[in-house]
Amino acid sequence: SAVISQKPSRDICQRGTSLTIQCQVDSQVTMMFWYRQQPGQSLTLIATANQGSEATYESGFVIDKFPISRPNLTFSTLTVSNMSPEDSSIYLCSLMTSGRSDEQFFGPGTRLTVL
Amino acid sequence: DAKTTQPPSMDCAEGRAANLPCNHSTISGNEYVYWYRQIHSQGPQYIIHGLKNNETNEMASLIITEDRKSSTLILPHATLRDTAVYYCIVRVYNQGGKLIFGQGTELSVKP
Repeated sequence: SAVISQKPSRDICQRGTSLTIQCQVDSQVTMMFWYRQQPGQSLTLIATANQGSEATYESGFVIDKFPISRPNLTFSTLTVSNMSPEDSSIYLCSLMTSGRSDEQFFGPGTRLTVL
Repeated sequence: DAKTTQPPSMDCAEGRAANLPCNHSTISGNEYVYWYRQIHSQGPQYIIHGLKNNETNEMASLIITEDRKSSTLILPHATLRDTAVYYCIVRVYNQGGKLIFGQGTELSVKP
C-alpha cells in the first residue's frame, strides 16, 4: 500500500490567517483528493488535485478559499485561506495508485483548530 | 453517485460476528459497493468491494443481494480493535470515481 505523509499533523491558528498542508506519497499516484472532516461528522470531498492544472472543486468549495497545487505525481498542497473557527476540521489527503485502482488510500490527516 | 443508507450505530460482542447492513436502492449497473472503516483519529481504511458476487478477504466478507439494492458487511469474529465507523459507498470502478462518504455506522465491539 502507499505510504502517505501529511504536514503538519496538527496546528492551532488565529482567525484570518492561512495554513498550507502538504501531502507527500512514496509511489506513483493516478489521482489525489482532499477531504475535510468537521468535528463529529463524516468526510466531505473538497476537490480533486490535478497535476499541472487547476483542481476540480466540489459544490460548496472554491479556489479562493482552498487553493490546491499538485506540481508532480507524488506531492500536493492544500491551503486553507482567511481562516475562521468554522474551518476547524481534520483535513485528509487521499489518493489512488496506478497499481491498485480499486482501492483509495488516506493519509493520517491534519487536525486544524482555528481560534 | 448513488446514495447509501446505514444504521447510525450498532453493538457487537467480542468474538461474535458483526453484520453491518447497507441499503443502496438506486445503485447503477456499473457501480460497485465499497466498504471503508475509520478508527478514531485515523484516516479511513479500505476493507472490501464487490459488484454483484459475494466477496471475501482476510478482513471481512461482503454479501450483495441479487437485486444489488442492499449489502451486508460481515466481520466474522469481531475484536475490540474493530470498533470504528464503517462506511458503505457506491461508485464506478476504475474510472477515478470519487468516494462520497455518508454518515456510516458506528460499531462498538464490547467485551
